[in-house]
Amino acid sequence: TQLLEQSPQFLSIQEGENLTVYCNSSSVFSSLQWYRQEPGEGPVLLVTVVTGGEVKKLKRLTFQFGDARKDSSLHITAAQTGDTGLYLCAGAIGAQKLVFGQGTRLTINP
Amino acid sequence: GAGVSQTPSNKVTEKGKYVELRCDPISGHTALYWYRQSLGQGPEFLIYFQGTGAADDSGLPNDRFFAVRPEGSVSTLKIQRTERGDSAVYLCASSLQGRGEQYFGPGTRLTVT
Repeated sequence: TQLLEQSPQFLSIQEGENLTVYCNSSSVFSSLQWYRQEPGEGPVLLVTVVTGGEVKKLKRLTFQFGDARKDSSLHITAAQTGDTGLYLCAGAIGAQKLVFGQGTRLTINP
Repeated sequence: GAGVSQTPSNKVTEKGKYVELRCDPISGHTALYWYRQSLGQGPEFLIYFQGTGAADDSGLPNDRFFAVRPEGSVSTLKIQRTERGDSAVYLCASSLQGRGEQYFGPGTRLTVT
């Protein structure tokens, strides 16, 4: 069974601080995706990383895929209250299904 | 609307009853996925359709769960003899030809009392 472990599960920081969320697995994935989910809504894709060592930036968010394609990180610079939400990583198995981590619930305090 | 829609948004049922959950994918998307999300957890894969056929149903927990997509568009997830442990948010997603981004619906929150 492919498992994705996310850490931390909960994170509460002050506005303006930096943070990093980790996603680790013993399995290799064809790609890894990061989602954000708001209450009462489905996950919304933020980014897909495909190549080992790949780094993608989305404004203040930086995503990195590990060299061995087993782990990934999400770094947020100068967090804002609008960044509050549930962040999920998901590994793609072929083109068919996603294996999700348990999520990181992020709270940015003003 | 252009997104994935799911109905009902909430469903409360008694233990032992039968329920149907509906998903309308984005028009033109041939791939459709069902996931289940328990409280405090990430979504868990249930089943994947490519067109009308179930290409991968390895995530269905037992034979009380069944899903259909008879015309390759709308899909229905059916749960027989519901149990309290079936309580969760059931998410549907679709993608273009089974590759690329999966677009998720808002989910159906199922509560079994």
